[in-house]
Amino acid sequence: DTGVSQDPRHKITKRGQNVTFRCDPISEHNRLYWYRQTLGQGPEFLTYFQNEAQLEKSRLLSDRFSAERPKGSFSTLEIQRTEQGDSAMYLCASSPRDGSYEQYFGPGTRLTVT
Amino acid sequence: QKEVEQNSGPLSVPEGAIASLNCTYSDRGSQSFFWYRQYSGKSPELIMSIYSNGDKEDGRFTAQLNKASQYVSLLIRDSQPSDSATYLCAVRKGGKLIFGQGTELSVKP
Repeated sequence: DTGVSQDPRHKITKRGQNVTFRCDPISEHNRLYWYRQTLGQGPEFLTYFQNEAQLEKSRLLSDRFSAERPKGSFSTLEIQRTEQGDSAMYLCASSPRDGSYEQYFGPGTRLTVT
Repeated sequence: QKEVEQNSGPLSVPEGAIASLNCTYSDRGSQSFFWYRQYSGKSPELIMSIYSNGDKEDGRFTAQLNKASQYVSLLIRDSQPSDSATYLCAVRKGGKLIFGQGTELSVKP
């Protein structure tokens, strides 16, 4: 198993542009999570899916953020009209259906908004 | 009050010593606790999970949980320079994890 993968690894965009990130979870993991991490802070929860259903979305997340997980496989996170405050590492994690809630992280996508 | 609190450090220990990392949490009903290691510029890596009061050992790592005191700790025995990283404590809330800000550990040769 190759682990969680994310694409792209780095993204530089101008303020106001839209960006989309992709996450492929560990195969057979049914839960998929998105977090955001800024320097010196722990990861901050954004949203998570169980299979294709989005079960929770952070109240801190503005309407500019949307996530999908079609067919319960890979997931995409889109940020519309990016702002400089969106600059962060966007982390994806997945966890198995064994009830442990152990989450395994991908390498992350570093977003820089100029 | 933050939901999960850790001393940011840095915590500096000599090579071969025991490193002790601490974490407190505010939700008394929390049931699942995790320790992650994060090297600079990398993503978090799960090193320990603990669900019951007491100690759980895995190699040089021991996680300790005291639900009455709402306290979880991580001990690293025989610390090595390669253990130098930020250690993140996480507590499960519903389906998601709530993370502390992390403790930076430096192991000096």
